[in-house]
Amino acid sequence: QKEVEQDPGPLSVPEGAIVSLNCTYSNSAFQYFMWYRQYSRKGPELLMYTYSSGNKEDGRFTAQVDKSSKYISLFIRDSQPSDSATYLCAMQHPGRRALTFGSGTRLQVQP
Amino acid sequence: GAGVSQSPRYKVAKRGQDVALRCDPISGHVSLFWYQQALGQGPEFLTYFQNEAQLDKSGLPSDRFFAERPEGSVSTLKIQRTQQEDSAVYLCASSSKGQSLSNQPQHFGDGTRLSIL
Repeated sequence: QKEVEQDPGPLSVPEGAIVSLNCTYSNSAFQYFMWYRQYSRKGPELLMYTYSSGNKEDGRFTAQVDKSSKYISLFIRDSQPSDSATYLCAMQHPGRRALTFGSGTRLQVQP
Repeated sequence: GAGVSQSPRYKVAKRGQDVALRCDPISGHVSLFWYQQALGQGPEFLTYFQNEAQLDKSGLPSDRFFAERPEGSVSTLKIQRTQQEDSAVYLCASSSKGQSLSNQPQHFGDGTRLSIL
């Protein structure tokens, strides 16, 4: 079993919809949680970073971390066709620099 | 440019050949990382440098994989006697400090797509 599980999708939504992306994890030592966006043939681009449990909002994006359930989420409001990409969750525990990624969820926003 | 630069963008090699992949991190970034991304998967950690010191190489899949960063700037990932299972995108990332992640995200390049025939 992988340390980080993520539904690969694809997830197809109409423009303007609220999108919910999720990851679960098994390693309770993870303290830092990130969401990256990756367009085709491009490198991952950091969207959101949170430390431990709680919520963080940045524009149309909201990241949530529930450490008790080992569950993290990314919400995208008013989704746009330009949001069509693969979304990767990533995690890190203190003392180790390596990131552990989920397998990514492919999102398609239909105009 | 201001971002992480990787070259070549695409590399095709025959099984058994050696390949070398280059990473130019963001200027002044102390930490440098290599990841391997298989098709349809998330990146998997290979190795990490702080300046010229290789502090973690636990993700290197075999002794055919070797990475160096001799002057603490540009890094090269070398794969000897390539196998078909080495086909993947190799991503390089850098961040500005050697301490904990807080406020120091890893910035990724666009990767080298390696195909082994």
